[in-house]
Amino acid sequence: AQKITQTQPGMFVQEKEAVTLDCTYDTSDPSYGLFWYKQPSSGEMIFLIYQGSYDQQNATEGRYSLNFQKARKSANLVISASQLGDSAMYFCAMREGSGGSEKLVFGKGTKLTVNP
Amino acid sequence: NAGVTQTPKFQVLKTGQSMTLQCAQDMNHEYMSWYRQDPGMGLRLIHYSVGAGITDQGEVPNGYNVSRSTTEDFPLRLLSAAPSQTSVYFCASSRPGEGTDTQYFGPGTRLTVL
Repeated sequence: AQKITQTQPGMFVQEKEAVTLDCTYDTSDPSYGLFWYKQPSSGEMIFLIYQGSYDQQNATEGRYSLNFQKARKSANLVISASQLGDSAMYFCAMREGSGGSEKLVFGKGTKLTVNP
Repeated sequence: NAGVTQTPKFQVLKTGQSMTLQCAQDMNHEYMSWYRQDPGMGLRLIHYSVGAGITDQGEVPNGYNVSRSTTEDFPLRLLSAAPSQTSVYFCASSRPGEGTDTQYFGPGTRLTVL
Protein backbone atom coordinates (compact mmCIF):
# COMPACT_ATOMS: atom_id res chain seq x y z
CA ALA A 1 0.00 0.00 0.00
CA GLN A 2 1.22 3.46 -0.81
CA LYS A 3 2.20 5.48 2.19
CA ILE A 4 1.86 8.82 0.45
CA THR A 5 -0.83 9.41 -2.15
CA GLN A 6 -1.06 12.46 -4.35
CA THR A 7 -4.15 12.01 -6.50
CA GLN A 8 -3.71 15.04 -8.75
CA PRO A 9 -1.14 14.40 -11.50
CA GLY A 10 -1.65 17.95 -12.77
CA MET A 11 -3.30 21.13 -11.58
CA PHE A 12 -3.92 24.47 -13.22
CA VAL A 13 -4.48 27.78 -11.47
CA GLN A 14 -4.79 31.39 -12.54
CA GLU A 15 -2.17 33.81 -11.36
CA LYS A 16 -3.08 35.46 -8.03
CA GLU A 17 -5.58 32.76 -7.12
CA ALA A 18 -5.18 30.18 -4.38
CA VAL A 19 -4.69 26.47 -5.06
CA THR A 20 -4.79 23.34 -2.91
CA LEU A 21 -2.62 20.32 -3.63
CA ASP A 22 -3.85 17.12 -2.04
CA CYS A 23 -1.84 14.63 -0.03
CA THR A 24 -3.02 11.68 2.01
CA TYR A 25 -0.77 9.44 4.04
CA ASP A 26 -0.87 6.09 5.73
CA THR A 27 0.98 5.24 8.91
CA SER A 28 0.37 3.50 12.21
CA ASP A 29 3.21 5.34 13.93
CA PRO A 30 1.83 8.05 16.26
CA SER A 31 4.92 10.16 15.66
CA TYR A 32 5.63 11.32 12.13
CA GLY A 33 6.49 14.35 10.07
CA LEU A 34 5.02 15.59 6.83
CA PHE A 35 6.93 17.65 4.29
CA TRP A 36 6.24 19.44 1.06
CA TYR A 37 8.94 20.00 -1.51
CA LYS A 38 8.91 22.00 -4.74
CA GLN A 39 10.83 20.84 -7.79
CA PRO A 40 11.06 23.43 -10.57
CA SER A 41 12.03 22.50 -14.10
CA SER A 42 15.67 23.08 -13.17
CA GLY A 43 15.44 19.95 -11.04
CA GLU A 44 16.45 20.93 -7.53
CA MET A 45 14.37 19.95 -4.51
CA ILE A 46 13.27 22.95 -2.47
CA PHE A 47 11.84 22.49 1.03
CA LEU A 48 8.58 24.40 1.52
CA ILE A 49 6.89 23.44 4.75
CA TYR A 50 6.80 20.90 7.57
CA GLN A 51 4.09 19.59 9.88
CA GLY A 52 4.77 17.37 12.86
CA SER A 53 2.12 14.89 13.95
CA TYR A 54 1.92 16.45 17.40
CA ASP A 55 1.78 20.02 16.21
CA GLN A 56 -1.43 21.63 17.37
CA GLN A 57 -1.58 24.28 14.69
CA ASN A 58 -1.35 24.08 10.94
CA ALA A 59 2.06 25.05 9.63
CA THR A 60 2.46 28.23 7.62
CA GLU A 61 5.42 29.64 5.71
CA GLY A 62 4.69 32.83 3.84
CA ARG A 63 2.26 32.02 1.03
CA TYR A 64 2.34 28.32 1.88
CA SER A 65 0.14 26.68 4.48
CA LEU A 66 -0.48 23.09 5.30
CA ASN A 67 -4.05 21.99 5.96
CA PHE A 68 -3.42 19.14 8.41
CA GLN A 69 -6.40 16.92 9.12
CA LYS A 70 -5.02 14.17 11.32
CA ALA A 71 -8.16 12.06 11.58
CA ARG A 72 -8.49 12.00 7.80
CA LYS A 73 -4.74 11.50 7.37
CA SER A 74 -4.47 14.36 4.96
CA ALA A 75 -1.86 17.08 4.65
CA ASN A 76 -2.87 19.35 1.82
CA LEU A 77 -0.67 22.20 0.67
CA VAL A 78 -2.37 25.53 0.10
CA ILE A 79 -0.60 28.14 -1.99
CA SER A 80 -2.17 31.57 -1.76
CA ALA A 81 -1.85 34.29 -4.40
CA SER A 82 -0.22 32.03 -6.99
CA GLN A 83 2.68 33.39 -8.99
CA LEU A 84 4.07 32.30 -12.35
CA GLY A 85 7.17 31.09 -10.54
CA ASP A 86 5.07 28.60 -8.59
CA SER A 87 4.80 26.45 -11.72
CA ALA A 88 6.64 23.27 -10.74
CA MET A 89 6.28 19.72 -9.47
CA TYR A 90 5.22 19.47 -5.84
CA PHE A 91 5.99 16.45 -3.70
CA CYS A 92 4.49 15.43 -0.40
CA ALA A 93 6.71 13.29 1.83
CA MET A 94 6.49 11.60 5.21
CA ARG A 95 9.03 10.63 7.82
CA GLU A 96 7.89 8.01 10.31
CA GLY A 97 9.24 8.22 13.83
CA SER A 98 10.25 11.22 15.86
CA GLY A 99 13.46 12.19 14.17
CA GLY A 100 16.51 9.99 14.21
CA SER A 101 15.09 8.32 11.16
CA GLU A 102 15.90 9.93 7.88
CA LYS A 103 13.76 7.70 5.74
CA LEU A 104 11.53 9.98 3.75
CA VAL A 105 8.78 8.40 1.67
CA PHE A 106 7.59 10.52 -1.24
CA GLY A 107 4.40 10.69 -3.22
CA LYS A 108 4.46 10.74 -7.01
CA GLY A 109 3.96 14.46 -7.18
CA THR A 110 1.57 17.01 -8.65
CA LYS A 111 2.53 19.22 -11.56
CA LEU A 112 1.23 22.72 -10.96
CA THR A 113 0.87 25.15 -13.84
CA VAL A 114 0.13 28.79 -13.10
CA ASN A 115 -1.51 30.60 -15.99
CA PRO A 116 -1.13 34.37 -16.52
CA ASN B 1 28.15 27.47 3.20
CA ALA B 2 28.01 25.58 -0.08
CA GLY B 3 25.32 23.29 1.38
CA VAL B 4 25.08 19.89 -0.30
CA THR B 5 27.19 19.45 -3.41
CA GLN B 6 27.09 16.60 -5.90
CA THR B 7 29.44 15.66 -8.70
CA PRO B 8 29.16 15.05 -11.56
CA LYS B 9 25.99 16.79 -12.75
CA PHE B 10 25.67 14.51 -15.75
CA GLN B 11 27.13 11.09 -16.52
CA VAL B 12 26.73 8.53 -19.28
CA LEU B 13 27.87 4.97 -18.63
CA LYS B 14 27.88 1.76 -20.57
CA THR B 15 26.30 -1.34 -19.11
CA GLY B 16 28.73 -3.05 -16.76
CA GLN B 17 30.84 0.00 -15.99
CA SER B 18 31.33 1.13 -12.44
CA MET B 19 31.43 4.64 -11.06
CA THR B 20 31.08 6.69 -7.91
CA LEU B 21 28.70 9.57 -7.43
CA GLN B 22 30.14 12.08 -5.01
CA CYS B 23 28.22 13.93 -2.31
CA ALA B 24 29.59 16.37 0.21
CA GLN B 25 28.05 18.73 2.77
CA ASP B 26 29.63 21.48 4.82
CA MET B 27 26.88 21.91 7.41
CA ASN B 28 28.23 19.31 9.85
CA HIS B 29 25.07 17.27 9.40
CA GLU B 30 25.05 13.80 10.89
CA TYR B 31 22.49 12.33 8.55
CA MET B 32 23.02 11.81 4.85
CA SER B 33 20.92 9.95 2.32
CA TRP B 34 20.82 8.96 -1.33
CA TYR B 35 17.60 8.96 -3.34
CA ARG B 36 16.80 8.19 -6.94
CA GLN B 37 14.04 9.79 -8.98
CA ASP B 38 12.59 8.03 -11.98
CA PRO B 39 10.16 9.63 -14.47
CA GLY B 40 6.68 9.99 -13.03
CA MET B 41 7.85 8.91 -9.61
CA GLY B 42 8.73 10.55 -6.38
CA LEU B 43 12.11 10.06 -4.79
CA ARG B 44 12.98 6.63 -3.43
CA LEU B 45 15.56 6.03 -0.74
CA ILE B 46 18.61 3.98 -1.75
CA HIS B 47 20.92 4.13 1.29
CA TYR B 48 21.33 6.37 4.27
CA SER B 49 23.78 7.08 7.06
CA VAL B 50 23.21 8.37 10.58
CA GLY B 51 26.86 9.17 11.16
CA ALA B 52 30.41 8.38 10.14
CA GLY B 53 30.92 4.63 9.94
CA ILE B 54 27.19 3.83 10.01
CA THR B 55 25.13 3.08 6.94
CA ASP B 56 21.90 1.24 6.23
CA GLN B 57 19.72 0.24 3.31
CA GLY B 58 16.70 2.07 2.09
CA GLU B 59 13.89 1.01 -0.20
CA VAL B 60 15.93 0.29 -3.35
CA PRO B 61 19.51 -0.64 -2.35
CA ASN B 62 20.32 -3.35 -4.89
CA GLY B 63 23.23 -2.52 -7.18
CA TYR B 64 24.55 0.28 -4.98
CA ASN B 65 27.16 0.49 -2.25
CA VAL B 66 27.88 3.30 0.19
CA SER B 67 30.38 4.10 2.89
CA ARG B 68 30.75 7.01 5.30
CA SER B 69 34.29 7.55 6.45
CA THR B 70 33.82 11.24 7.28
CA THR B 71 30.93 13.42 8.37
CA GLU B 72 31.22 15.50 5.21
CA ASP B 73 31.23 12.87 2.46
CA PHE B 74 28.82 10.12 1.43
CA PRO B 75 29.72 8.59 -1.93
CA LEU B 76 27.40 6.25 -3.82
CA ARG B 77 29.02 3.46 -5.83
CA LEU B 78 27.48 1.68 -8.78
CA LEU B 79 29.33 -1.62 -9.02
CA SER B 80 28.13 -2.75 -12.45
CA ALA B 81 25.82 -0.26 -14.08
CA ALA B 82 22.57 -1.45 -15.64
CA PRO B 83 20.06 0.44 -17.82
CA SER B 84 17.56 0.18 -14.94
CA GLN B 85 19.84 2.51 -12.98
CA THR B 86 19.23 5.33 -15.42
CA SER B 87 17.80 7.98 -13.13
CA VAL B 88 18.40 11.26 -11.38
CA TYR B 89 20.23 10.81 -8.09
CA PHE B 90 19.84 13.16 -5.16
CA CYS B 91 21.94 13.34 -2.05
CA ALA B 92 20.47 14.89 1.09
CA SER B 93 21.66 15.79 4.57
CA SER B 94 20.10 16.82 7.84
CA ARG B 95 20.78 17.14 11.53
CA PRO B 96 18.30 15.79 14.05
CA GLY B 97 16.90 18.22 16.53
CA GLU B 98 16.81 21.19 14.17
CA GLY B 99 13.10 21.58 14.57
CA THR B 100 11.83 20.23 11.31
CA ASP B 101 14.71 17.82 10.71
CA THR B 102 14.50 19.13 7.19
CA GLN B 103 16.55 17.34 4.63
CA TYR B 104 18.61 19.61 2.42
CA PHE B 105 19.03 18.25 -1.07
CA GLY B 106 21.91 18.55 -3.48
CA PRO B 107 21.33 19.62 -7.09
CA GLY B 108 21.22 16.05 -8.39
CA THR B 109 23.21 13.88 -10.80
CA ARG B 110 21.55 12.79 -14.02
CA LEU B 111 22.83 9.32 -14.92
CA THR B 112 22.22 7.50 -18.17
CA VAL B 113 23.25 3.88 -18.60
CA LEU B 114 23.37 2.65 -22.19
